[in-house]
Formats: sequence, structure tokens, C-alpha cells
Amino acid sequence: AAGVIQSPRHLIKEKRETATLKCYPIPRHDTVYWYQQGPGQDPQFLISFYEKMQSDKGSIPDRFSAQQFSDYHSELNMSSLELGDSALYFCASSLGTGTGELFFGEGSRLTVL
Amino acid sequence: GESVGLHLPTLSVQEGDNSIINCAYSNSASDYFIWYKQESGKGPQFIIDIRSNMDKRQGQRVTVLLNKTVKHLSLQIAATQPGDSAVYFCAENIAGGSEKLVFGKGTKLTVNP
Repeated sequence: AAGVIQSPRHLIKEKRETATLKCYPIPRHDTVYWYQQGPGQDPQFLISFYEKMQSDKGSIPDRFSAQQFSDYHSELNMSSLELGDSALYFCASSLGTGTGELFFGEGSRLTVL
Repeated sequence: GESVGLHLPTLSVQEGDNSIINCAYSNSASDYFIWYKQESGKGPQFIIDIRSNMDKRQGQRVTVLLNKTVKHLSLQIAATQPGDSAVYFCAENIAGGSEKLVFGKGTKLTVNP
């Protein structure tokens, strides 16, 4: 079965650089979520989109932005990167039916040097 | 506020034993709970879920118990196997919300052969 696809899987950037992560949800899923997971930490909700509109916002820094496109894929843009941004970034998708089950991708590991 | 916590950060068991992983949540408005399993370097994987109108739900080798009186959730794994070694997170979803999940701190389960 098709799963959530994230790219790139690994990314290394310097401080103050910009990074873009991409997420392709499971086909027919209309809701996308972004989570950030630091080393040894639990996943922290960043932002979500439903039908291309932002549906909820969590602890996402102002330096980050995201959007969902017409084909339902989503991109997380991160600017002025800081060392503390080094983390695993997970994308999850759901049908938005209210079941609450989120299907997660394998994550993108961002390392900021 | 919204938070889900765990009693133990690590749990070590012998292969074949039963494992019990606990979770305390604080938001009485939460109406849906999920247990996720996360292996090293991978995304969270759905294990089992339960709605607030239930107090027990069974899956294959796993059982989730929900005690709303004390806001406690537990995951029981029967006949634990080495492949069960991972970090286990409980997550909650608040009724009427955007389906975002709030994760707890995670318990690292180690199964010794």
C-alpha cells in the first residue's frame, strides 16, 4: 500500500541557510500534518493543512512556513536555520474523517552545522 | 493545558514476558487516544487506538486500557518479542479539533532474548 513519502530523507545545512522539506500524502488523503522531533524527544506538532488551507498551528517558529498544494503535497520551508533546528521532521496524512489516525512518513533528518 | 505524559522513560523485559506501558494525560476533553511504536530512525507506526466511550480494546497481542477517572492509558503487549523493542508513544486527540495529535514523552521498551 502507498505510504506517506518524504524528501529528502537527509539534509545537511549551515546556520542561516534555508531548507525545504517535501511531503506527499497517501493518495486521497486531504489533510497533512508536520511534526518536529528532537533527539530523544516526543514529536511536536508544527502545523497542519486541510484541503490546502491551514487548519491548525502549533509550535512552529516564525522562520518556518508551509503550504499545501493543489495535488495535496506539502512543503515545509525553513529559513535562517539555527543549530536547534536539527531534528527529524515528520509528515503525516489523514483522510480528515475525524478518526484521528495519522499515517506517518519515514521522516526527514535535518542537521544544521 | 494539553499534555500527555508517561510514568517511565524506559522498560526492560524478557522475551516472552508481558509488557505494560503507562501513560497519563491531562486534558479531559480528549476523546481519542492512539499508541504509536517508533523504531530507531523511522516514523511512528500505528499500533492501536481507543475512543473515550470505551475502557478497553484488544488487538493482536496488544490491549489498550483507558481509565478516564484518573486520566490514565496503558498498553499491554503479550508475549513480548525482540521485534517489539522500540519507543512507544501515547497520543491524544481533542474532540472538535483539527485531528492533530499531542504526543506523550515516550517509553523505550527493550526486550532481552
